[in-house]
Amino acid sequence: NAGVMQNPRHLVRRRGQEARLRCSPMKGHSHVYWYRQLPEEGLKFMVYLQKENIIDESGMPKERFSAEFPKEGPSILRIQQVVRGDSAAYFCASSLQGSTDTQYFGPGTRLTVL
Amino acid sequence: GQQLNQSPQSMFIQEGEDVSMNCTSSSIFNTWLWYKQDPGEGPVLLIALYKAGELTSNGRLTAQFGITRKDSFLNISASIPSDVGIYFCAGRDAGNNRKLIWGLGTSLAVNP
Repeated sequence: NAGVMQNPRHLVRRRGQEARLRCSPMKGHSHVYWYRQLPEEGLKFMVYLQKENIIDESGMPKERFSAEFPKEGPSILRIQQVVRGDSAAYFCASSLQGSTDTQYFGPGTRLTVL
Repeated sequence: GQQLNQSPQSMFIQEGEDVSMNCTSSSIFNTWLWYKQDPGEGPVLLIALYKAGELTSNGRLTAQFGITRKDSFLNISASIPSDVGIYFCAGRDAGNNRKLIWGLGTSLAVNP
């Protein structure tokens, strides 16, 4: 029974490039959450999605960041024109039921912007 | 955004000692969660609390949901080297329970 999977585990981009982070939720889970973690800090909520719908994107920067969770395939967090300040660990979590249900986390993608 | 006040920020203890850490919020919460994060990994849920006064154990770990609903603590008894990691509290505000609010973590180091 695979847990939440994220890839790549490490991603290096130069300033101005695009970063695509993928998250496959646990089997049967249709709720996905993205968080960002800076070194020595806690997790900051970015966006909550259900299949084909964005439920809450209040933590997402207004520009350059977007997220989707299509009917088929993984959830994608996309960062366009990356800047050094985007360097962080990005975690995906999934839950079976809605937003008040237990969230299970993936191992994260560590993005480094050169 | 809203953040939980988690303390201590870090602890360095001897193997076998007991550990206590806590979290406080400025508003009433209806859920408290304790996670552990190992280096290079995602957080793993340790204990979930849903009722004021609730005391729950998971092996050597014990956590309580404070009576005021504005705090929670986590105790680890008889620490061992594999307890090393960062412990995060997280909770849901009773007025807006959609989002998980996170503490900044307690970094635990155990000297064998």
